[in-house]
This record gives sequence, structure tokens and C-alpha cells, in this order.
Amino acid sequence: QSVLTQPPSVSGAPGQRVTISCIGGSSNIGAGYDVHWYQQLPGTAPKLIIEGNSNRPSGVPDRFSGSKSGTSASLAITGLQAEDEAVYHCHSYDRSLSARVFGGGTKVTVL
Amino acid sequence: EVQLLESGGGLVQPGGSLRLSCVASGFTFSSYAMSWVRQAPGKGLEWVAVFSGRVGSPDYAASVKGRFSISRDNSKNTLFLQMDSLRAEDTAVYYCAKDLSRFGVPDNAFDVWGQGTMVTVSS
Repeated sequence: QSVLTQPPSVSGAPGQRVTISCIGGSSNIGAGYDVHWYQQLPGTAPKLIIEGNSNRPSGVPDRFSGSKSGTSASLAITGLQAEDEAVYHCHSYDRSLSARVFGGGTKVTVL
Repeated sequence: EVQLLESGGGLVQPGGSLRLSCVASGFTFSSYAMSWVRQAPGKGLEWVAVFSGRVGSPDYAASVKGRFSISRDNSKNTLFLQMDSLRAEDTAVYYCAKDLSRFGVPDNAFDVWGQGTMVTVSS
């Protein structure tokens, strides 16, 4: 059971917009800790695509955007492309556990 | 080019030990906290341990505390993970990961990841 809760899967047609939620609590996201998002293509290491809740590292397409409110965060992918098919993980810090924590991951399928 | 290269994985029996290494290049290794993150087959990511930069201090996930030990050799740009009393549930790909910023904040992102090394605990 992950500290941060993500839906197991989401899907969308090419060109559509999909969103992935990351639900935490008062000891992690709600305590003001930043949320980060990673994209993991099959058989590869995770890649940072959103840091500090909403900042895109250099080279990440602006189709990816992040937001945070209260005890949850979201990743949105607009103009969905076949190459976006991957697993997406959210990440933050939990002060009760004194540990860096991840969501369980969400598989995005492009129909 | 910023790069992390892990090694040391393999097959080990329950109760056994293994030592992982991660060699860094392309950045000032001593200035950044470094972590180990693992991923069991078909599962999500799990943070394992962190060792902060110059004024080093380790921290561990509850699931490995007392069994795993993280260390670093800044002169050799290398991060280590000593894993003792291994269990079947420790079977995973182990990644080393670099903190995004030099500020030793606990909610730093991981901006660079290695390719991972597989650890299998089985009799």
C-alpha cells in the first residue's frame, strides 16, 4: 500500500487530454512538501518530467503539466501521443515516516 | 554528460549479503545527496536509502533499516549499498538516483537515474 495514491491506469485517444491524480495526506503533500513526476518507459529507468509541483526540466515537452492543491497533486498530458504510453510515478516526502515516498504508478495507454 | 552506473546485482540466497556500487560522472558528486530506489517486478518505486552530500548522514526506509547500509566515497565518486540479511521481498531492480539541487531538502526531486541493477533473492 503506497503512501501516495494513484489510479492504476488511465487511457485516452491520440490528441486527447488525460490527467493522473496523486492523493496524499497532511504529513506529506498537505504539509507543503513538493511533488515530482517521473515517466518510465518499458524496461527503462524513470525520467523526471515535472519537479517542484509544476516545473518542467529542460527538454520535456510542454504537453506535460503539473499542479498541486491541498493534499493532492495532478499530472496532465495534453495532445496525447503514442510515445506517451508509459507508467507515471508521483513522489514527495512524508514527515511522519521521515521518508521519501512514491505513488504506486499509473499506466497510461494510448488507444 | 551526467551519468550513473550501477553494478553488483545478482542472485543470492535468503539471509545472504550483496554490495551494490554506483559510479557517478559529469557532476560534482560530493555536493549532492544520493539515494537508492528499488522496484520489485511489476511494482512501483520504493525509496530505500539516502546519503547526503559533504556533511554526510544516512537515512533509511523502515523496510530496510538495520539490514542495509548506505555509504559513499567522494574521492571515487561512488555510492554503495551494503545489503545484509536479504529476504525474498528485497528482490527488485535497484537504481541509484541523484538529488536535483544541492540544497539538502528532504523533498528534492531525483533528476538523474542509473540504468539499474537486478537483485534476486531466492534459494
